[in-house]
Amino acid sequence: SQKIEQNSEALNIQEGKTATLTCNYTNYSPAYLQWYRQDPGRGPVFLLLIRENEKEKRKERLKVTFDTTLKQSLFHITASQPADSATYLCALYVYQKVTFGTGTKLQVIP
Amino acid sequence: DAGVIQSPRHEVTEMGQEVTLRCKPISGHNSLFWYRQTMMRGLELLIYFNNNVPIDDSGMPEDRFSAKMPNASFSTLKIQPSEPRDSAVYFCASSFKGGGETQYFGPGTRLLVL
Repeated sequence: SQKIEQNSEALNIQEGKTATLTCNYTNYSPAYLQWYRQDPGRGPVFLLLIRENEKEKRKERLKVTFDTTLKQSLFHITASQPADSATYLCALYVYQKVTFGTGTKLQVIP
Repeated sequence: DAGVIQSPRHEVTEMGQEVTLRCKPISGHNSLFWYRQTMMRGLELLIYFNNNVPIDDSGMPEDRFSAKMPNASFSTLKIQPSEPRDSAVYFCASSFKGGGETQYFGPGTRLLVL
């Protein structure tokens, strides 16, 4: 079965810096990969999708990369703000099934 | 659009009782997903429906869990009998096309089984 690892349970960074979150997976390569944001007491909210033939995707201050050789996706938030504090989940789509990672809790310190 | 609607938002019950969770997907979406989230195991897919038909129920933990989707605008997840280890947040999500499309999550139902 697909195994997904997100680099750490928690990540603290200073406001204004770039946050980088990692999603590593084993076994089969996904057709595409998604990143979601989850705030306490709420359901996950979709942020970005990147396909296996794409290396990079951007949306405002967010950037996602996808390296199928390394079996890894990186999620970057540039010029981070305290409002970016949340848990970020990666999700892989393989064989018509989506599997979520356990998430990384990001804390942006003012 | 109101988004995905779930009820109840909180449920406290005693072990052995039947629990029914409800979900109304976004209008026009033809796929619906039930997830369970715990600190230990993260977000786990329990079952998903496409056009009201169950496609993959391999994540349903055991026979105590059942899910139905009688029409395009309503689904239930039932636990009978409930056990303390079922305590978790249960999310419903819907998407426009299928298993891999962007999923829109509801606010979740926080279940506590005593």
